[in-house]
Amino acid sequence: EAGVTQFPSHSVIEKGQTVTLRCDPISGHDNLYWYRRVMGKEIKFLLHFVKESKQDESGMPNNRFLAERTGGTYSTLKVQPAELEDSGVYFCASSQVAGAGSRREEQFFGPGTRLTVL
Amino acid sequence: DAKTTQPNSMESNEEEPVHLPCNHSTISGTDYIHWYRQLPSQGPEYVIHGLTSNVNNRMASLAIAEDRKSSTLILHRATLRDAAVYYCIQRVLGTALIFGKGTTLSVSS
Repeated sequence: EAGVTQFPSHSVIEKGQTVTLRCDPISGHDNLYWYRRVMGKEIKFLLHFVKESKQDESGMPNNRFLAERTGGTYSTLKVQPAELEDSGVYFCASSQVAGAGSRREEQFFGPGTRLTVL
Repeated sequence: DAKTTQPNSMESNEEEPVHLPCNHSTISGTDYIHWYRQLPSQGPEYVIHGLTSNVNNRMASLAIAEDRKSSTLILHRATLRDAAVYYCIQRVLGTALIFGKGTTLSVSS
């Protein structure tokens, strides 16, 4: 079974440019999460999709960040325009269910996309 | 913010058991305790989770105190591959994971 994949693995852009990160969850996983770790800080939650709907986007830092999950499959996270403080590693995770308390709630993480804004 | 406290770092020797402690004094009756770990240059990975009873799986054991205000992740025989940052997470069902600083485990041969 393929795991969560993220593309690209690395991205280096200039301040003010736009970058789009992609996440392909495990097939059949309705729940998709985005997290990020900026330099020296803990991993922080950004948002949670259930299928194509945004269940919780309380962690999105500002309106420069736009996440989509059309058709409930893969998701994209666009940063426009990128700022220096957006540099960090962006992780995507998926799970079968949310709220069951069972092993099916386990989140499977991708390897992350390292974003560097110069 | 993270609701758990863990030591910043711990050291172990290969083949020895490791006990990673975690305090979660504000836990409510329906909050689960989840453990994830992050190996170098990888995304976090699930280790184990529990509610009240002790739990075992192929990776580790989770011992939860009777008052549920603390727990211990037990690696029965540490290997070099177990060197990672271990995160103890107090989790409300259905919500995202809230990561703290975790415990950096070093394993020596």
